Amino acid sequence: GQQLNQSPQSMFIQEGEDVSMNCTSSSIFNTWLWYKQDPGEGPVLLIALYKAGELTSNGRLTAQFGTTRKDSFLNISASIPSDVGIYFCAVPGGETGRRALTFGSGTRLQVQP
Amino acid sequence: KAGVTQTPRYLIKTRGQQVTLSCSPISGHRSVSWYQQTPGQGLQFLFEYFSETQRNKGNFPGRFSGRQFSNSRSEMNVSTLELGDSALYLCASSDRLRTDYNSPLHFGNGTRLTVT
Repeated sequence: GQQLNQSPQSMFIQEGEDVSMNCTSSSIFNTWLWYKQDPGEGPVLLIALYKAGELTSNGRLTAQFGTTRKDSFLNISASIPSDVGIYFCAVPGGETGRRALTFGSGTRLQVQP
Repeated sequence: KAGVTQTPRYLIKTRGQQVTLSCSPISGHRSVSWYQQTPGQGLQFLFEYFSETQRNKGNFPGRFSGRQFSNSRSEMNVSTLELGDSALYLCASSDRLRTDYNSPLHFGNGTRLTVT
């Protein structure tokens, strides 16, 4: 079935470091989304990308929609302790239709103060 | 605006029982979706309701069902619970229209169901 390959699975970094994670697929998508889930809470949308090649920022977060439309990248600059959580990429579509989100397996980020 | 509210936050049930989870969407949102989150399978789509009609269903057995009321509040029901149904059940609402799929989903904090 449809799968998003998200990497890395986990990261343990020092406060102040930059972070990069990515998501790839064998299929083309017209929208890429990045969510963050804090412990005990639901996912929160960070960035939405709607155009191939698009680069969008949200504070210290920057995400890019790959030009092949099969991948997306998320960068976090100058990490801080509150960046801890699980980051998910997601796309509308897949086997369950365009109104359903297919999620990557997540990147668990831990930040050492 | 209040966010998506899910009740209860935690639930413990026994195999074979049934359970009903509740979701109140953000005011004005007519689309409500449900997702199951487990360590092994990650986040998986269950179903979506819009204007009291199920618009889309994921690959889950018929034991999983839902409904939406005229005020857009939604419930999901799981009958004949199995151990593997233990999960975080997340509800999300959106202001998307019937033919739209790009409007962002706003998730609640979930109901954690434990089946023993």
